Amino acid sequence: QVQLQESGPGLVKPSQTLSLTCTVSGGSISSGDYYWSWIRQPPGKGLEWIGYIYYSGSTYYNPSLKSRVTISVDTSKNQFSLKLSSVTAADTAVYYCARVVGLGLFDYWGQGTLVTVSS
Amino acid sequence: EIVMTQSPATLSVSPGERATLSCRASQSVSSNLAWYQQKPGQAPRLLIYGASTRATGIPARFSGSGSGTEFTLTISSLQSEDFAVYYCQQYNNWSYTFGQGTKLEIK
Repeated sequence: QVQLQESGPGLVKPSQTLSLTCTVSGGSISSGDYYWSWIRQPPGKGLEWIGYIYYSGSTYYNPSLKSRVTISVDTSKNQFSLKLSSVTAADTAVYYCARVVGLGLFDYWGQGTLVTVSS
Repeated sequence: EIVMTQSPATLSVSPGERATLSCRASQSVSSNLAWYQQKPGQAPRLLIYGASTRATGIPARFSGSGSGTEFTLTISSLQSEDFAVYYCQQYNNWSYTFGQGTKLEIK
């Protein structure tokens, strides 16, 4: 059974960079069978896809966030990471990591981690 | 960007009754449409993919239909555990978008 777990600071100051890591267990990122993604959800609102990465390092980002997003992978640790720069209060959200299967289905999700942007 | 619009925003239905949720895409997504269920404090759960195929372990009372730009999720006989928020998601062009959600509440 694949499990994903997000980790990182719960509070980030405006204009700084948000950094989160997703640790995958029960399966190997290096298998090459899946993409790995970040999704966020502002409090009380809907879901927004941020981007995804393949084990090789290939990435694709949501065009609306592309200028501020970097997703990277560390296959030796079976982890992938998110960096979002120049954050504002609008970036306050629960951030989820998820496995992408097929053309773009999210079949396994982490529990989510709330990141608040505030001074 | 493909915009997904769900209706209604909130749907009030009694247990045992049928619920019908709608999702419209701003342009054709073929059958590349999924539905997710989200309960408070939990991550979303994949229910339906390919517009009409139930994911592993999803009860038969959940069914999906549609193609192109119009899609429907039907829950045939609502159980207490079905009251939640439902999201549609398109995955037609390797750039994914979700609808804003329909909250299914007990009447």
